[in-house]
Amino acid sequence: EAGVVQSPRYKIIEKKQPVAFWCNPISGHNTLYWYLQNLGQGPELLIRYENEEAVDDSQLPKDRFSAERLKGVDSTLKIQPAELGDSAVYLCASSQGSGANVLTFGAGSRLTVL
Amino acid sequence: GNSVTQMEGPVTLSEEAFLTINCTYTATGYPSLFWYVQYPGEGLQLLLKATKADDKGSNKGFEATYRKETTSFHLEKGSVQVSDSAVYFCALGNTGNQFYFGTGTSLTVIP
Repeated sequence: EAGVVQSPRYKIIEKKQPVAFWCNPISGHNTLYWYLQNLGQGPELLIRYENEEAVDDSQLPKDRFSAERLKGVDSTLKIQPAELGDSAVYLCASSQGSGANVLTFGAGSRLTVL
Repeated sequence: GNSVTQMEGPVTLSEEAFLTINCTYTATGYPSLFWYVQYPGEGLQLLLKATKADDKGSNKGFEATYRKETTSFHLEKGSVQVSDSAVYFCALGNTGNQFYFGTGTSLTVIP
């Protein structure tokens, strides 16, 4: 079974440029999460989807960040414009069913903003 | 509210030493508890979990027991190996599909 797939793995951009990250969750997993991981820190939730509905986006900086999950499968996270402080790893995770089920993480997308 | 506090690292041990990484939590309701491991350049992987009080999760020689009375979920391993070098995250998950992670503890095992 394929795991959670993220791309790109690495991205270097200049500040004020846009960037997008893509995530393909495990087949059948209805819940999808985007997390931000700063160096030396634990993951922090940006947004959670239940199927195609964003049910928790309270920590998403909506002035520059946006996300979508069309058809309740793949998801895209976008930053426009990027700032220096956005340099971090963006992790996607998915889980199945309701309740505190196991999260399966992708390898992450490492963003460097110059 | 919900939160997780884990001991700060980094932790450096010699091979075959005993490992303990402390984790305590604050939660409303009855959460599940997890330990995830992250190897360099990779995402987090589930190491073990426990879903109710007094449950013991175990995997690859690692163990952790869900202690409701002390709100703890300490990770232990009797004899660490060089391959165990990684960052370990304690996490809490509630019935609302919300997860809360600790800040991570970096472990380095030297031969």
